[in-house]
Amino acid sequence: GAGVSQSPSNKVTEKGKDVELRCDPISGHTALYWYRQSLGQGLEFLIYFQGNSAPDKSGLPSDRFSAERTGGSVSTLTIQRTQQEDSAVYLCASSLGTGPMNTEAFFGQGTRLTVV
Amino acid sequence: KQEVTQIPAALSVPEGENLVLNCSFTDSAIYNLQWFRQDPGKGLTSLLLIQSSQREQTSGRLNASLDKSSGRSTLYIAASQPGDSATYLCAVRGMRTGANSKLTFGKGITLSVRP
Repeated sequence: GAGVSQSPSNKVTEKGKDVELRCDPISGHTALYWYRQSLGQGLEFLIYFQGNSAPDKSGLPSDRFSAERTGGSVSTLTIQRTQQEDSAVYLCASSLGTGPMNTEAFFGQGTRLTVV
Repeated sequence: KQEVTQIPAALSVPEGENLVLNCSFTDSAIYNLQWFRQDPGKGLTSLLLIQSSQREQTSGRLNASLDKSSGRSTLYIAASQPGDSATYLCAVRGMRTGANSKLTFGKGITLSVRP
């Protein structure tokens, strides 16, 4: 596609429910990243996928958070038993691949998650 | 641990002024630095990417410089316009964890250009 696509754009969920957020990276991009942006805060790294390598999960805040990337393309971020502090904008980015010259990151429009 | 700082957090200038946005980072072992723009309620738009071997990059009215040894980058905006009003974020990609390591972001500078 022309850019990184995220869905839904907005999600309101009740505390305790599970949610799934989807990211379609730019076609041909092998690297995919998830970030979280809370009100008044900077961007917080969550997880990074690169090709077939094991993902870097070092930023996931708790075991309620998980992510997968199927077929090296689409990624889903799952939050189980949502809490109010999970409310934030979840941003996905992709980049072309390995090597310093191919690492310009392109971001989607984000999913605004509100837990009530 | 890499830390990225952007000061001030907010800036208001009259239209037409040339301005400089600053970014500093604590670990000079970086592959590159990227400047982004974020409009309210939107995602991030990539403005400029500077590789560690480069000193500056230009795109239209924007010029970004990089002094890796001192841990500093500046984004210069010439002849500012109200449409430039947005939050500007810088992010560095560190070398410590490989070529595609995560980006570490500053908290951004919210720019308001007054007509």
